[in-house]
Formats: sequence, structure tokens, C-alpha cells
Amino acid sequence: DGGITQSPKYLFRKEGQNVTLSCEQNLNHDAMYWYRQDPGQGLRLIYYSQIVNDFQKGDIAEGYSVSREKKESFPLTVTSAQKNPTAFYLCASSISSGGPYEQYFGPGTRLTVT
Amino acid sequence: AQKVTQAQTEISVVEKEDVTLDCVYETRDTTYYLFWYKQPPSGELVFLIRRNSFDEQNEISGRYSWNFQKSTSSFNFTITASQVVDSAVYFCALSEANRDDKIIFGKGTRLHILP
Repeated sequence: DGGITQSPKYLFRKEGQNVTLSCEQNLNHDAMYWYRQDPGQGLRLIYYSQIVNDFQKGDIAEGYSVSREKKESFPLTVTSAQKNPTAFYLCASSISSGGPYEQYFGPGTRLTVT
Repeated sequence: AQKVTQAQTEISVVEKEDVTLDCVYETRDTTYYLFWYKQPPSGELVFLIRRNSFDEQNEISGRYSWNFQKSTSSFNFTITASQVVDSAVYFCALSEANRDDKIIFGKGTRLHILP
């Protein structure tokens, strides 16, 4: 089955620690995205990548970092510089060329930092 | 600037009633795309529909239908004969062509279908 996997589903960390969220897709999509969702809010774009070894900042990139070394993988690191890291993080992917096309989402990772 | 407004924060209806979720968008582009997504309690967003700005035909898919009106910048979503499984948060979204395929989401409407 093709799809997007995110792990883990729940993640707990102490304040001041960096944490990396995993996102893998086997849809052969070129573009991948990371969003943050806070209670009662829509999705806000953190980073996106349209091709391997290239990525761009979204609307709320401060305190986050990403890499795109493989087409299938787009991990997100939440650094200690992110002031309010507790949130629900969603990864998505889409066909890139000729779009914009619909994005397909993973199940999300709920991060709690105390 | 692009913007999506879903004025209805939360709606509750009794099962089998019809319900319409409103979506109003703002864009300066003539070419753009509109989307609807469903987010059930599990959290994963499910894609429902994509519509480009040149296609104003209404669309029906089973109990779901969408009404796109460029004159009022609206892209409303109607569920007919609602079911408890329709309970979810629904997001309307907008993407302008040539903007790196970025999608701007509304804040969502939480729909409760009461048995």
C-alpha cells in the first residue's frame, strides 16, 4: 500500500532537547511538506521541499530544521530554539510538476515538550 | 494576499440532516485551486476535492457536493443525509498557481453529527 508514514505517533521530550520527527513516503512524490497544527487552528507550513537536496522555509520555520537527502524521506528536527514546540505535526507529499496538486497526509506526530 | 475564511467554527446537526460548510477565499490571481480536506478524530487529513478556478461546475460525489461561485469567492461544501461517521473537522484550502504549490488552509469547521 502506498502512503505516508510518520513515527512515532506520540513523542515526549524535555525542554531544551532537540527532537527529530520521521516522515517517509512511497508514493514517488517529488514534493514534501511539514505542517504544524495547534488546537482550534488550521495548518501552518513549516518547511517544504520540491526536490531532493533542496527545501524552502514556510511561514513558521524558526526553531525548526529539515533535510531532504532521499526522495522518500523528509525528517523534521524541532530544536531547542523553538519556543512553543508542543503541537501536532503533519507531514504531506504531492506530485510537484504542473500543480498545485492535492497533498496527501501522514497520520501525524503529537509532540509534547515539558 | 491569499486567505481562506471558514466562519463556522463548530456546527452540530442531528443525523440525516443536511449540512453546509461555508468557505470564502481571497486571492488576486486568476488561476488558483481550491481544496477540501476532512480530519477525523484520528488526526490524519483526508483529501476530498480539488477544483481549479476555471471550472465552476458544481460537483457531487455520493452524499457530498460542492458549490463553487467565483462571483462571491465561495466554495461551499454540503453533506446530504449526514451520518455519525461524518463527524470531523473540515478544512477548506487555497493554492495559487506558480507559488511553489503551497496550500493555505482555513482554520477549519468542527462538525458534530448527533445520533
